[in-house]
Amino acid sequence: GAGVSQSPSNKVTEKGKDVELRCDPISGHTALYWYRQRLGQGLEFLIYFQGNSAPDKSGLPSDRFSAERTGESVSTLTIQRTQQEDSAVYLCASSLGPGNQPQHFGDGTRLSIL
Amino acid sequence: GESVGLHLPTLSVQEGDNSIINCAYSNSASDYFIWYKQESGKGPQFIIDIRSNMDKRQGQRVTVLLNKTVKHLSLQIAATQPGDSAVYFCAEKRAGNTGKLIFGQGTTLQVKP
Repeated sequence: GAGVSQSPSNKVTEKGKDVELRCDPISGHTALYWYRQRLGQGLEFLIYFQGNSAPDKSGLPSDRFSAERTGESVSTLTIQRTQQEDSAVYLCASSLGPGNQPQHFGDGTRLSIL
Repeated sequence: GESVGLHLPTLSVQEGDNSIINCAYSNSASDYFIWYKQESGKGPQFIIDIRSNMDKRQGQRVTVLLNKTVKHLSLQIAATQPGDSAVYFCAEKRAGNTGKLIFGQGTTLQVKP
């Protein structure tokens, strides 16, 4: 597709379960980012992938959060043993390259932890 | 802590008027700034960006102004339309960073018909 695609669009799960969120970046974009947005708030950076370089994981809030990316394509964000404070919208973005390039966002996955 | 701040949480304007949304940033080492528009239930949509070696950039109906002396960024929207109603976020990137954007809390723009 033309834009960043994320799935699922909504996810409801019970506290303690693991969840996996998927992101398909724009074709040809080498950089991929994950952000978290709590209700009524700005976006918080989680992790960044660029080509084959080591990812910047500096924004991951705990070791329950991890992410992978296969080459320059799909990425998955995994949250283990989910907690209620993990409830948020998880947004993925991609850009043509690193540095000063606009990041283009998907519509996110709305995660609700019961 | 890290933050990019916005002066007003809500801005209400009349259709056809010009809108100005302001943003203050804290780190003088930031080298890239960007504005996004976010509608309910959607991801942020890129509006316009500006590098720190510029002080003004224009797009279609939008202008971004950067004042590095006072660390201030603004977004001007000309002839505001009902479709411009949304939450607007500014974001900055620190020089040398890998691309991580630091977002403000957002300003809600309400356009009255």
